[in-house]
Amino acid sequence: LAKTTQPISMDSYEGQEVNITCSHNNIATNDYITWYQQFPSQGPRFIIQGYKTKVTNEVASLFIPADRKSSTLSLPRVSLSDTAVYYCLVAYSSASKIIFGSGTRLSIRP
Amino acid sequence: SQTIHQWPATLVQPVGSPLSLECTVEGTSNPNLYWYRQAAGRGLQLLFYSVGIGQISSEVPQNLSASRPQDRQFILSSKKLLLSDSGFYLCAWSGLAGKGNEQYFGPGTRLTVT
Repeated sequence: LAKTTQPISMDSYEGQEVNITCSHNNIATNDYITWYQQFPSQGPRFIIQGYKTKVTNEVASLFIPADRKSSTLSLPRVSLSDTAVYYCLVAYSSASKIIFGSGTRLSIRP
Repeated sequence: SQTIHQWPATLVQPVGSPLSLECTVEGTSNPNLYWYRQAAGRGLQLLFYSVGIGQISSEVPQNLSASRPQDRQFILSSKKLLLSDSGFYLCAWSGLAGKGNEQYFGPGTRLTVT
């Protein structure tokens, strides 16, 4: 059973690049890695998803090494509005069993 | 486009009272549906998921139950609420398994049991 581990919190400054790493040692061959962003009193919002190597979209990049036992969400040039909790999720492809990590509280300062 | 609705947005209920939270999805067919609970300052705990009408899987033993009477309707219920049932309840949907289960969340219901 895959379990994800993330740092509890991180701090950074506007304009910096932020990298949040998630460990998922027991990830299976067909599992995907998904990252979500959550603001207070709102539902999580999908950021990015990947299976291997690198994925990039308009808001983030996701780096997954060859062994897939970890992944790194990269947020380029963060702003104050990026202050939120970020969740790493390993999604089983063969079942609907979902395990959310405990989340990383990211605080961006001016 | 797909949208997901939850109601009510907030709810205050006394201990021992019943509960019914509703979630509906528009713009998609045969979605996987999920109920999560989030305690204050904590992560998301998966409570139930459903891959089709009448098909409910429970992740944790608890005071709650779920039903899926229609393809795009998911209901969370309790016969008698406990103080520990307080929290932020989130409904989510995803497409078929095998595509990473990318989930889309509703706005949530804030439940306070007094």
